[in-house]
Amino acid sequence: GQNIDQPTEMTATEGAIVQINCTYQTSGFNGLFWYQQHAGEAPTFLSYNVLDGLEEKGRFSSFLSRSKGYSYLLLKELQMKDSASYLCAVRGYSTLTFGKGTMLLVSP
Amino acid sequence: DGGITQSPKYLFRKEGQNVTLSCEQNLNHDAMYWYRQDPGQGLRLIYYSQIVNDFQKGDIAEGYSVSREKKESFPLTVTSAQKNPTAFYLCASSIYLETNEKLFFGSGTQLSVL
Repeated sequence: GQNIDQPTEMTATEGAIVQINCTYQTSGFNGLFWYQQHAGEAPTFLSYNVLDGLEEKGRFSSFLSRSKGYSYLLLKELQMKDSASYLCAVRGYSTLTFGKGTMLLVSP
Repeated sequence: DGGITQSPKYLFRKEGQNVTLSCEQNLNHDAMYWYRQDPGQGLRLIYYSQIVNDFQKGDIAEGYSVSREKKESFPLTVTSAQKNPTAFYLCASSIYLETNEKLFFGSGTQLSVL
């Protein structure tokens, strides 16, 4: 089975940097995804990691350590529009399993 | 524009009633999925389909049924056997059921019980 843990809520200030952690225990591992979801809307893809290391994409970066079962999403230069839920999802042998999501609130 | 269309956006179900949620995609994707999202919970997989006329149960399939008669369409029926149907339902698709294929999501249907 799959078990994915991430913090329930985080707060940060506009212009700051925030790191959202995700730990997982899975029976198989074929990659880790991060999605962003604004309230009442569809999740949108942010990043995919399958090898250890850091993947950078503009203001967003994602890190993976397979030996530690650990990933983080790093958001730089926070903007008000970054207030959303961030979902960590792990692909096992076939389908994706999602964590409960981390609600990020960005304040002025 | 290519994408996934879910309808209706809001749906109300009476006791003992079956209701069907629509999901249509014009992305030419082979794989389609249905997820359920409850407040404070992650997305949970109900059913998925890798190809036309084939589908598999996910983690919480009880009380739900699906069909995949056309590549573009993957409707979900919430039957009267589903005792707690109130949730946000998300349909998604991917090119294949492959390891690195990201999911594209529809805008969701909020189902409530009258």
